[in-house]
Amino acid sequence: AQRVTQPEKLLSVFKGAPVELKCNYSYSGSPELFWYVQYSRQRLQLLLRHISRESIKGFTADLNKGETSFHLKKPFAQEEDSAMYYCALRPGAQKLVFGQGTRLTINP
Amino acid sequence: GAVVSQHPSWVICKSGTSVKIECRSLDFQATTMFWYRQFPKQSLMLMATSNEGSKATYEQGVEKDKFLINHASLTLSTLTVTSAHPEDSSFYICSAREPSGGYEQFFGPGTRLTVL
Repeated sequence: AQRVTQPEKLLSVFKGAPVELKCNYSYSGSPELFWYVQYSRQRLQLLLRHISRESIKGFTADLNKGETSFHLKKPFAQEEDSAMYYCALRPGAQKLVFGQGTRLTINP
Repeated sequence: GAVVSQHPSWVICKSGTSVKIECRSLDFQATTMFWYRQFPKQSLMLMATSNEGSKATYEQGVEKDKFLINHASLTLSTLTVTSAHPEDSSFYICSAREPSGGYEQFFGPGTRLTVL
């Protein structure tokens, strides 16, 4: 079965502190993984994908096939990072399977 | 960048009526669009995959006769909630797959449906 698990519904950190949003997946094939972000009153948008191996807005995520994880990290949180974050798995060329989401709040 | 619009952004209807929601890709042609449902403080659940010119593929547990999907052109897919009931109240989000650039999905702003 294809499943994405984000164990934390809520995460609150202080500005300047490191952030790690956890994501674990279950998929028998070779996964494509993504992080999507939804800022307040805005639509869902792609933050980054594992195949790009890029850093977007200071965020990075490394695919760990051994631990079946794709955690999102940022060394120094900023207030504008407050948003809802969704980890997603694309098992084929088509649909996305989303995790439950983590609401990140950055405290000043 | 690729833009997807939805109309209406919100709708209130009486129980038993039908509601149509439109999803448009504004600056690209989308052979595939997706319809999601999102309950408050929950994740997006894929309802169906809409393919231009063919029947939609529904996810397990989604009633195809309840949620009618039509993808008549490369820029428009519609979701019709038939004989709506209060339990159908939800946030409905569509996305369109942009064929170039790694098949990235671009999301619409969503439609809030409230059934009285």
